[in-house]
Amino acid sequence: DAGITQSPRYKITETGRQVTLMCHQTWSHSYMFWYRQDLGHGLRLIYYSAAADITDKGEVPDGYVVSRSKTENFPLTLESATRSQTSVYFCASSGGGGNTEAFFGQGTRLTVV
Amino acid sequence: AQSVTQLGSHVSVSEGALVLLRCNYSSSVPPYLFWYVQYPNQGLQLLLKYTTGATLVKGINGFEAEFKKSETSFQLTKPSAHMSDAAEYFCAVSDNYGQNFVFGPGTRLSVLP
Repeated sequence: DAGITQSPRYKITETGRQVTLMCHQTWSHSYMFWYRQDLGHGLRLIYYSAAADITDKGEVPDGYVVSRSKTENFPLTLESATRSQTSVYFCASSGGGGNTEAFFGQGTRLTVV
Repeated sequence: AQSVTQLGSHVSVSEGALVLLRCNYSSSVPPYLFWYVQYPNQGLQLLLKYTTGATLVKGINGFEAEFKKSETSFQLTKPSAHMSDAAEYFCAVSDNYGQNFVFGPGTRLSVLP
């Protein structure tokens, strides 16, 4: 299916465990983004990527790792999950150029217990 | 650095009444501006965007927005609210390259019967 998909949609994990959230887009967009959404904070950028093998930190990168070996995939890994990382995570992609919007996935609701 | 503020975290209107959501931004470069809508348990969907040209832009579902450079504002309106408009609305600004989308904190719109 065309578009941007995230998996899983829901995930419960324990404190200290490693967890990876997947993001896949079919448009060959250059830019990809990871945001977290928390009540009272809106959307905050965790990491973004301008192309394969090019990633950069956003506003709240601590505790997260990303990679982008292929243009279409942009996984987000929590190396040692903490309760403060309980959130809804959104992946987005954009063709770049400023006048193009970001397209969002459906989100992953992560609960760390 | 770019930033976005939205006046009112929660706005209530009656069905059939005017919807008016306010957004102010700060940007050191000519901005690209977006309004997104988020329905419960879903990702963000683009309502409309301003890139260049006409300062009044039309979007989906009867929404439109006006860009006022002198006021650094991007106000979203809809003449007549419908129950289906109840959702969270986010204003966003992008840089010239589309590599940095900054979102406002969101405004939750309630539509009363």
